[in-house]
Amino acid sequence: GAGVSQSPRYKVAKRGQDVALRCDPISGHVSLFWYQQALGQGPEFLTYFQNEAQLDKSGLPSDRFFAERPEGSVSTLKIQRTQQEDSAVYLCASSLPPYQPQHFGDGTRLSIL
Amino acid sequence: RKEVEQDPGPFNVPEGATVAFNCTYSNSASQSFFWYRQDCRKEPKLLMSVYSSGNEDGRFTAQLNRASQYISLLIRDSKLSDSATYLCVVNMNTGFQKLVFGTGTRLLVSP
Repeated sequence: GAGVSQSPRYKVAKRGQDVALRCDPISGHVSLFWYQQALGQGPEFLTYFQNEAQLDKSGLPSDRFFAERPEGSVSTLKIQRTQQEDSAVYLCASSLPPYQPQHFGDGTRLSIL
Repeated sequence: RKEVEQDPGPFNVPEGATVAFNCTYSNSASQSFFWYRQDCRKEPKLLMSVYSSGNEDGRFTAQLNRASQYISLLIRDSKLSDSATYLCVVNMNTGFQKLVFGTGTRLLVSP
């Protein structure tokens, strides 16, 4: 399909494990965003890429969270030493810059046991 | 205080009813405003942008009051398919769309 693709759709990990979440943006979309959505809450901004440059990472909750987009296309969000409070849906969105609407993927539902 | 505040609901209305949602935001420097719709266990989707002059898209009307830092969404002639969570969203940034979402207002339309 032509939309934003995220994988895996579901991820269960034990506390302390590292996880990696993948986002394939819409082809040609320069801007890429990661959000965290806790149960019953709206999405919260984590980080923003323009091409391969990470221009804003102010929303990353701790240094356990790391995002990259090395070739300006696919992005990976990595969470090290996961904690139970990391359980949430992680949404990726992409857009044409700078103010075009963001298109969201289905998200990865992360559960930390 | 949250940057974007909404009544979480749920709002339970019969088909055909008119329903209004309100939202307030705290940052007067906010640049642009949106309503997104999110179905259960699905991704948010842009419903409409919100302009100071007010704008309408079919049964949906959005209004922005910058002086009061208040945004509204009116849905006329509610359909069963309108049942969803409606997210009030504010862009805080001038360089890119740094979106701040409210918690969402849940709407349930019943037959």
